[in-house]
Amino acid sequence: DADVTQTPRNRITKTGKRIMLECSQTKGHDRMYWYRQDPGLGLRLIYYSFDVKDINKGEISDGYSVSRQAQAKFSLSLESAIPNQTALYFCATSDWRGQGTDTQYFGPGTRLTVL
Amino acid sequence: AQKITQTQPGMFVQEKEAVTLDCTYDTSDQSYGLFWYKQPSSGEMIFLIYQGSYDEQNATEGRYSLNFQKARKSANLVISASQLGDSAMYFCAMSLHNNNDMRFGAGTRLTVKP
Repeated sequence: DADVTQTPRNRITKTGKRIMLECSQTKGHDRMYWYRQDPGLGLRLIYYSFDVKDINKGEISDGYSVSRQAQAKFSLSLESAIPNQTALYFCATSDWRGQGTDTQYFGPGTRLTVL
Repeated sequence: AQKITQTQPGMFVQEKEAVTLDCTYDTSDQSYGLFWYKQPSSGEMIFLIYQGSYDEQNATEGRYSLNFQKARKSANLVISASQLGDSAMYFCAMSLHNNNDMRFGAGTRLTVKP
């Protein structure tokens, strides 16, 4: 089984709809992240969470919200989807070891299309 | 915020040859980490290699090595003995030790020719 799973893997929705993307991990990591990838722009950080009670905005958080339901679960919501939120969304996890920078491990991605 | 630049949108290499993918970064912080990820056509992001800013030796992982030149703020990825399965997008990324806010470059598409 994959260490980081994302559901759904593909989603097509309409403008104005509420969408939730879910991420689960079995790696036992405390830190979780949501990114979006647009062609030619690489990945950009939306939100991140260092533990269940910690939520932080990333580079592009407007139009998104998150929920850290448990150590292993981190959900991303689009309250009212718009076409420019069409992108590939990645969840990632990392394990803080007390020093340095922790490596992030990514889920398989969710391809979201907003019509 | 830190900035990552990958100046090569696309690269070609002959199978079994070595290739260097360029990455430069910009930060005023002294403590940071540099990463390379591979994204094949299937879409997943695969971690390849990590270099810490205080590491004195260049990182190596199998056929991957990171040519870290701190004074020039460059962190080039070297792939030796290229294989057809190396054809993919490659992303350079950086995060600061104090916040783990990772920033990515725009990527380089590598094509390995048989």
